[in-house]
Amino acid sequence: QQKVQQSPESLSVPEGGMASLNCTSSDRNFQYFWWYRQHSGEGPKALMSIFSDGDKKEGRFTAHLNKASLHVSLHIRDSQPSDSALYFCAARRVPNTNKVVFGTGTRLQVLP
Amino acid sequence: EAAVTQSPRNKVAVTGGKVTLSCNQTNNHNNMYWYRQDTGHGLRLIHYSYGAGSTEKGDIPDGYKASRPSQENFSLILELATPSQTSVYFCASGGWGAQNTLYFGAGTRLSVL
Repeated sequence: QQKVQQSPESLSVPEGGMASLNCTSSDRNFQYFWWYRQHSGEGPKALMSIFSDGDKKEGRFTAHLNKASLHVSLHIRDSQPSDSALYFCAARRVPNTNKVVFGTGTRLQVLP
Repeated sequence: EAAVTQSPRNKVAVTGGKVTLSCNQTNNHNNMYWYRQDTGHGLRLIHYSYGAGSTEKGDIPDGYKASRPSQENFSLILELATPSQTSVYFCASGGWGAQNTLYFGAGTRLSVL
């Protein structure tokens, strides 16, 4: 079964708005998390990583991690049409940190 | 930027036939991965490798074999292709260790008729 679940499945926000994406793990051994973004016709590309509890901000993107609740989120402020893509949460678990598991994905559409 | 090249980009196969998907990376990464992408399931891990000569089963290995003959190359083999294996397949490479990012190829679209 999928051990990394994402919600919502799809999301539409107006240009300039805030988009919030969620990721929940069912395995407490997942300790290292990433967000990847995939534009149509391309392979996924890493957006940002987060390994410690709390917030991590990179430009318009803020990731939040709460290991106790096994929850990771991504918030995109001032959303742009170019942010329209499929977003994946990815996780590595200890002790086998070389195995990388991806979530089910959230499709974001930013409406001009 | 790290480079991962997949071939072919598109493939049509017949049920029961053998299919080989190839992946080459020039990043000198130890780890390589094969995923399939299906709507509603996201990216699911099929096989991965720690280095030349090694292969490990991922979460959905049934019906697939993998081969890592060198640091640069990692193949996914479908010995007896079935229509349920119709999907988009992605190869990725990554460095050793928990904090390393994966770099993906552009994908192979496989249709099994």
